[in-house]
Amino acid sequence: NAGVMQNPRHLVRRRGQEARLRCSPVKGHSHVYWYRQLPEEGLKFMVYLQKENIIDESGMPKERFSAEFPKEGPSILRIQQVVRGDSAAYFCASSPKSTGNTIYFGEGSWLTVV
Amino acid sequence: GQSLEQPSEVTAVEGAIVQINCTYQTSGFYGLSWYQQHDGGAPTFLSYNALDGLEETGRFSSFLSRSDSYGYLLLQELQMKDSASYFCAVRDASGGSYIPTFGRGTSLIVHP
Repeated sequence: NAGVMQNPRHLVRRRGQEARLRCSPVKGHSHVYWYRQLPEEGLKFMVYLQKENIIDESGMPKERFSAEFPKEGPSILRIQQVVRGDSAAYFCASSPKSTGNTIYFGEGSWLTVV
Repeated sequence: GQSLEQPSEVTAVEGAIVQINCTYQTSGFYGLSWYQQHDGGAPTFLSYNALDGLEETGRFSSFLSRSDSYGYLLLQELQMKDSASYFCAVRDASGGSYIPTFGRGTSLIVHP
């Protein structure tokens, strides 16, 4: 079984452009989490989604950031009008249910804003 | 909200035993997990405690004391490949979403 797949692995954007990060969860998992990680720092929660629903977006900036997890296809994290401070690694994780002992992470998407 | 504290860095030599502590604050504790992350890689699950006591998985063990809001990860027979960052994460049930909140991570450096 494939794990969590994220693409692109590396993305370079100029200030003001849009970044789209995609995440395909483990097959059968309907819960998706997005985290952001800056160098030497921990994983900061951004948003938690189930199929077609945003459950908790308390960690996501109110402006420029949005996320979706459609009925068909991968989850998308979209960052509009990127700024240098958006440069970070964005990790997606999935789980089969909201409870349980673990979530499964992808390899991350590394966004660099120049 | 939740908060977690863990040391920023720990160093040890090959073959030794090291303990990484984690204290947390949360209003609706559900469970404490540990993850390992090598540079640039995906965090991978190591261990989970929902109840007090010690959980052992090979060279790695994890301990939890809910009354002290404290846990630790114990790594035995250290190997060079254990050099990585280790994160504790707490799941909180009070909001109903059980979202894992991560600590800032402990960088473990294993010397020959």
